[in-house]
Amino acid sequence: AAGVIQSPRHLIKEKRETATLKCYPIPRHDTVYWYQQGPGQDPQFLISFYEKMQSDKGSIPDRFSAQQFSDYHSELNMSSLELGDSALYFCASSLGSGQYFGPGTRLTVT
Amino acid sequence: AQSVAQPEDQVNVAEGNPLTVKCTYSVSGNPYLFWYVQYPNRGLQFLLKYITGDNLVKGSYGFEAEFNKSQTSFHLKKPSALVSDSALYFCAVRDYTGGFKTIFGAGTRLFVKA
Repeated sequence: AAGVIQSPRHLIKEKRETATLKCYPIPRHDTVYWYQQGPGQDPQFLISFYEKMQSDKGSIPDRFSAQQFSDYHSELNMSSLELGDSALYFCASSLGSGQYFGPGTRLTVT
Repeated sequence: AQSVAQPEDQVNVAEGNPLTVKCTYSVSGNPYLFWYVQYPNRGLQFLLKYITGDNLVKGSYGFEAEFNKSQTSFHLKKPSALVSDSALYFCAVRDYTGGFKTIFGAGTRLFVKA
């Protein structure tokens, strides 16, 4: 069965650069969630989208933005990157109930 | 390979009764174990974690979990369920071998009836 796809799997950026992470949900799933997990930290909820509209907002910094497109894939845009943004970024998708996680994108900011 | 199993898709309990949501794990080293809760249309919320120390871990909203190394289990418990506890519960294990990685179970839906 198809799973949640995230790309890229690994990304290295320098401070003050911009990064875009992509999430492709399971087909027909209409909701996407983004989480950030720093080294030694618990996953922190960032933001979610339902039917291309923002449905919930967590601890997402103002430097980050996200959207969900007509094909339900989502992109997390991160600008003015800081060293502290180095983390594993999970995407999850759902359709009504349950939540299926992608493998994550590991972002390293140098 | 590291894995987490939540053997029950759904758990039904009556309000006021004790509840248990089961979780078993498989990791190569010492496990770091977590429980998260998801309410409808919301993101995950952290409930509790086990790193080391007492096998009984107390967390948010009156939940607790018992780490059992011999049975490789980390069941979530609450002595008296509330209707508001109805949600989706995820068990997760963090594995630090070869770079840290968090593996989530498939989730168990808890229904608490009044």
